Amino acid sequence: DTGVSQDPRHKITKRGQNVTFRCDPISEHNRLYWYRQTLGQGPEFLTYFQNEAQLEKSRLLSDRFSAERPKGSFSTLEIQRTEQGDSAMYLCASSLVNASPLHFGNGTRLTVT
Amino acid sequence: KNEVEQSPQNLTAQEGEFITINCSYSVGISALHWLQQHPGGGIVSLFMLSSGKKKHGRLIATINIQEKHSSLHITASHPRDSAVYICAVETQIRGSQGNLIFGKGTKLSVKP
Repeated sequence: DTGVSQDPRHKITKRGQNVTFRCDPISEHNRLYWYRQTLGQGPEFLTYFQNEAQLEKSRLLSDRFSAERPKGSFSTLEIQRTEQGDSAMYLCASSLVNASPLHFGNGTRLTVT
Repeated sequence: KNEVEQSPQNLTAQEGEFITINCSYSVGISALHWLQQHPGGGIVSLFMLSSGKKKHGRLIATINIQEKHSSLHITASHPRDSAVYICAVETQIRGSQGNLIFGKGTKLSVKP
């Protein structure tokens, strides 16, 4: 078990470009969460999956954001037409079921110039 | 008003001191998590609790469901405890069991 891994660790992109991040959860974990964290703030919930089903999306997740978990294993988070306000750390976490310990990845830091 | 409030925001302590970080919340919860975040972003889960008290090494977490309050205590603090400590609650609102609401964190610095 190598824990939750995220790729890439850092991404610098120009405004208007599309970016895609990947998260590989712990293999037996059913739940996968995406969060966004800006400097000095706690993480904000974006969306979560139970297996391949996307069960909830935050109001923060505009139509430029889309997340998938096609086979209930890894997940991708895509941001289209990036804006400078999208610059943040994007964190992925996984857990077995609800109300069980969360395991976080190291995050992907996005900088939009 | 945030649904999860932590205090203090910043805390500086001398090595060896007993530390308490507080978390208050205003929503119904199914569980409360204490997380530790080091510079560079990595987050580690310290505790998940829904009642009572848990202890792991020098760390103790308590929760009072009636008062909607939790505390994280660090005994015999050490410079390696320096990190941001985040409280997060799993809410019962909107029928969601996946929506964690996070506090803004408490930045702890332990001086040698």
